[in-house]
Amino acid sequence: DIQMTQSPSTLSASVGDRVTITCRASQSINGWLAWYQQKPGKAPKLLIYKASSLESGVPSRFSGSGSGTEFTLTISSLQPDDFATYYCQHYNTYPYTFGQGTKLEIK
Amino acid sequence: QVQLVQSGAEVKKPGASVMVPCRTSGYTFTTYYVHWVRQAPGQGLEWMGAIDPSGGSTYSAQKFQDKITMSRDTSTSTIYMELSSLRSEDTAVYYCVRADYGGSGRYWGQGTLVIVSS
Repeated sequence: DIQMTQSPSTLSASVGDRVTITCRASQSINGWLAWYQQKPGKAPKLLIYKASSLESGVPSRFSGSGSGTEFTLTISSLQPDDFATYYCQHYNTYPYTFGQGTKLEIK
Repeated sequence: QVQLVQSGAEVKKPGASVMVPCRTSGYTFTTYYVHWVRQAPGQGLEWMGAIDPSGGSTYSAQKFQDKITMSRDTSTSTIYMELSSLRSEDTAVYYCVRADYGGSGRYWGQGTLVIVSS
């Protein structure tokens, strides 16, 4: 199974900050990586698919990059609505494992 | 619009089974795989398995292979996930997810809370 390791586990930041979350796969996933945002009590929301493609309706301050085994999610200028938990997930081969999550907190 | 609608919360005793339906609408049922993801209280997301609604083929994480059964009813566009031999560790919110863009979870059900308690 491919293991996904996210860092950091928790991130404290302020409105307007630029933040980056990293996701590392235990082997190449050929760019088949998604990023999700989850708020308490809600289902996750797809932000990025195929490593760098922005889902329709998602603000352009969100971007994804990376290849091979290393990927990043960047939020260019944090907004109050962005404080949530973020997960990466590979979908290269079954099982489609998730990273352990990054909780983005207000500093 | 695309919708995946799940049933309400379930309370089950240890050793029992639970069947969680996921009623889909707004798209051609047989075109997209549906996945199941669970989230234990305060924990992260865990991929459980997937079903191809077209032919009914299923794929599951090894951890769940003896425990999960996924099926579909094409007449009602509904996917079912049955989890057997429930333990307290199976207490979680269970989500059905339509996979788009090669497998990413674009549309999610609202989740079904399953509580396993004696």
